[in-house]
Amino acid sequence: DIQMTQSPSSLSASVGDRVTITCRASQSVSGYLNWYQQKPGKAPKLLIYTASSLQSGVPSRFSGSASGTDFTLTISSLQPEDFATYFCQQSYRTPFTFGPGTKVEIK
Amino acid sequence: QVQLQESGPGLLKPSQTLSLTCTVSGGSISSGSYYWTWIRQPAGKGLEWIGRIYTTGSTSDNPSLESRVTISLDTSKNQFSLRLGSVTAADTAVYFCARDSTGTDSFDIWGQGTMVTVSS
Repeated sequence: DIQMTQSPSSLSASVGDRVTITCRASQSVSGYLNWYQQKPGKAPKLLIYTASSLQSGVPSRFSGSASGTDFTLTISSLQPEDFATYFCQQSYRTPFTFGPGTKVEIK
Repeated sequence: QVQLQESGPGLLKPSQTLSLTCTVSGGSISSGSYYWTWIRQPAGKGLEWIGRIYTTGSTSDNPSLESRVTISLDTSKNQFSLRLGSVTAADTAVYFCARDSTGTDSFDIWGQGTMVTVSS
């Protein structure tokens, strides 16, 4: 299976901050990397697909990038509704696997 | 718009079979553009892909579940289902159904999730 790691596991930030979350795959996933946001008690929500494509309806402050097996989710200006847990997921090969998550908390 | 809704028993005893159904509304489950997927999440933990089914009936599932998984499709009811055999406490989780877009295999629509507890 392709293993996914994320860093940091949690972070504290203030409204308006620029936030960066990193995801690393244990092998090449050829850009097939997706990002999700999950709030407590809710289903995950797709933010970014294939590393850098913004899902319809997602604010443009969210962006994704890739460099080899390293992927980055950036929130350009953190908003109150962005406090949540973020997961990456590789969709290159089954079984599809997720990262352990990064919890973004209010400073 | 397309919506997914899980249903099924919330409490099972060890060794029983978990059976869940996902009802799709607002769109046809027979669309060739999607796989229909099950994902689970133990409380406070990460997400685990269980498996998926295509409109042809072709399935794939996670080898970590040791062949306990059966996923089926009922196009007449616009539903797909999950059966997980020989459950243990380790199968206690929130179970989500989701739509997987072919081409990207991203999960763009999710059900709200249903909690399943395995306890004697």
